Amino acid sequence: DAGVTQSPTHLIKTRGQQVTLRCSPKSGHDTVSWYQQALGQGPQFIFQYYEEEERQRGNFPDRFSGHQFPNYSSELNVNALLLGDSALYLCASSFFHWDRGSDEQFFGPGTRLTVL
Amino acid sequence: RKEVEQDPGPFNVPEGATVAFNCTYSNSASQSFFWYRQDCRKEPKLLMSVYSSGNEDGRFTAQLNRASQYISLLIRDSKLSDSATYLCVVPFRGSQGNLIFGKGTKLSVKP
Repeated sequence: DAGVTQSPTHLIKTRGQQVTLRCSPKSGHDTVSWYQQALGQGPQFIFQYYEEEERQRGNFPDRFSGHQFPNYSSELNVNALLLGDSALYLCASSFFHWDRGSDEQFFGPGTRLTVL
Repeated sequence: RKEVEQDPGPFNVPEGATVAFNCTYSNSASQSFFWYRQDCRKEPKLLMSVYSSGNEDGRFTAQLNRASQYISLLIRDSKLSDSATYLCVVPFRGSQGNLIFGKGTKLSVKP
C-alpha cells in the first residue's frame, strides 16, 4: 500500500516563473492538504481539497492555487514566483468524516522548491 | 499568545534519559491535538494523537491540560533514534482541516 507520493522531489525555478507540484494521496483517503515549510519553521497550511473543491484556505495570496481530480490526486500551482516562495512543499492526505472533519493527516516526502 | 508555542530547544540528552517537551495553544475550541516527528530534510510523521486527557504508546506519553491549554510529550529511556524535531500540532479553530504547527523542538540524543 503506497503512502502519499509527491512529484517532483526537487525543482529549481527563477523569479516570475510558474510551477505545478503534484500529489497522490494514500489509498482510501479522499482529502488533500498542502503546506509550505520554510527552513527552521513548522509547516504552514496553504489549503485543503475535498470533493474536488477548496474547503479551507490559509493566509496565502491568490498566486497559490490548486486542483483536485476525481481520483483524489491534487496539484498545487504557484504563479509569479518570488524568492520567498523557496521552501519545502508538503502534501498531506486524510479521510474526511462528516461528523468530525478530516482524520489524522499523513504527509508525503515533499517537493523542495528553490527560486533563484 | 501565539497559536501554538513550543519550547525552543535544542534538547541535548544522553541515551536513557527522560525528556519532556511542552506546548501551549491559544484556541480553546480545539478538541484534538497531535505530536509529529520530523527528521532532517524529511516529512513530518504522526507520532501521537491526543483526543482526551492523554495518550501513552510505549516510551511515549502525551498529556493534555485543557484548562491551561497545555500539551506535553514525555519520552522515557531515550534512544539515539529518537533524535529529531518534535512538532506540536493543533487544528485551527477546532476543525481538522487546517493544522497549525509549532516551530518544533529539536532533540539530540547522545551516546
